[in-house]
Amino acid sequence: AQTVTQSQPEMSVQEAETVTLSCTYDTSESDYYLFWYKQPPSRQMILVIRQEAYKQQNATENRFSVNFQKAAKSFSLKISDSQLGDAAMYFCAYRSLNDMRFGAGTRLTVKP
Amino acid sequence: NAGVTQTPKFQVLKTGQSMTLQCAQDMNHNSMYWYRQDPGMGLRLIYYSASEGTTDKGEVPNGYNVSRLNKREFSLRLESAAPSQTSVYFCASSQFPGLAGFYLGEQYFGPGTRLTVT
Repeated sequence: AQTVTQSQPEMSVQEAETVTLSCTYDTSESDYYLFWYKQPPSRQMILVIRQEAYKQQNATENRFSVNFQKAAKSFSLKISDSQLGDAAMYFCAYRSLNDMRFGAGTRLTVKP
Repeated sequence: NAGVTQTPKFQVLKTGQSMTLQCAQDMNHNSMYWYRQDPGMGLRLIYYSASEGTTDKGEVPNGYNVSRLNKREFSLRLESAAPSQTSVYFCASSQFPGLAGFYLGEQYFGPGTRLTVT
């Protein structure tokens, strides 16, 4: 089974600064998708960004971008110009045709 | 357009009791999913329904049953609750049918149900 590892249980960033959340995964498949989800205190899961494994170009959504290293099986999330509303749990997720896995999450604190 | 709704929001059960968690979506999505979220473990898939009338096991199906009542509704039943089933349960839906819903589409999540089994 595929595994998804988020090695940082907690991260902290100063407002307006940049922070990077790490995610690594293990798979023998060549075709898959990777996602970052945000879960604020309300518990609602919100999709932040997605990356298709066949695309070399890193995905970007406004202040959120990823660094996708397929050979290294690494998928980190960079949040630029951090805002107080970015404080949440962030989950990395892997999906293939036959499997779906979430990482254990990283709790991000944003300091004013 | 309410998206994905779940009832109840909170529930406390005694060991051995049964209950059904309800989930409904109004986005005309084909696929629906049930997850549980435990501290330090992320979300784990319990069951999913690729389309109306079909259900399949996920990663942790033991102790649960599901029913895809119609396209809108997907319920999760605990026949004999155990303390190990204390968790937060999320329902989700996706536009694309089957596992392609995983593969291609964004999943929309409900607000979750916090279940405690004593």
